[in-house]
Amino acid sequence: EAGVVQSPRYKIIEKKQPVAFWCNPISGHNTLYWYRQNLGQGPELLIRYENEEAVDDSQLPKDRFSAERLKGVDSTLKIQPAELGDSAVYLCASSLDPFRDTLSNEQYFGPGTRLTVT
Amino acid sequence: AQTVTQSQPEMSVQEAETVTLSCTYDTSESDYYLFWYKQPPSRQMILVIRQEAYKQQNATENRFSVNFQKAAKSFSLKISDSQLGDAAMYFCAYRSATNDMRFGAGTRLTVKP
Repeated sequence: EAGVVQSPRYKIIEKKQPVAFWCNPISGHNTLYWYRQNLGQGPELLIRYENEEAVDDSQLPKDRFSAERLKGVDSTLKIQPAELGDSAVYLCASSLDPFRDTLSNEQYFGPGTRLTVT
Repeated sequence: AQTVTQSQPEMSVQEAETVTLSCTYDTSESDYYLFWYKQPPSRQMILVIRQEAYKQQNATENRFSVNFQKAAKSFSLKISDSQLGDAAMYFCAYRSATNDMRFGAGTRLTVKP
């Protein structure tokens, strides 16, 4: 079974440019997460989707970040315009239906996209 | 809000020896899960072990075991018979009943041959 797929793996852009990251979760996983991991730190949640609905986007900087999950499968995270401080690894994760058994809801992570803003 | 603290930025262990990584957390909830994730240079977060808060018995997965002290809000990871492939960043994580996941800052483990 394929794991969580992310692309691209690396992206270098100049500040003020737009950038987009793509994530394909594990088949059958209803919940999808986007995390940002700054250098030397643990991942921090940006947004969580349950199917098509964004149920937690409290940490998403909405002035420049946007996300969508069309048809409740693939997801795209966009930054426009990018700032120097956005340089980080962006991780996508997915898990099964949280309403089935919330406490045993394992998160599976993709390999991440390393963004460098110059 | 829940917080997770890993007080050891770096740890080192000799191959075949045992090492313990520390983690403490803060929460007012009674139902939650705790995890240890491994992140090698490839950046892929790999689940090492998990512990349900309602279980008193410490989780064990082969060479990996935890010491879960619920009252002290402590969740340490013990790696026995350390191998070169164990070298990585290790993250302690807390997940609430509402699926809110929090990670510690990580501990970089070096394994010396």
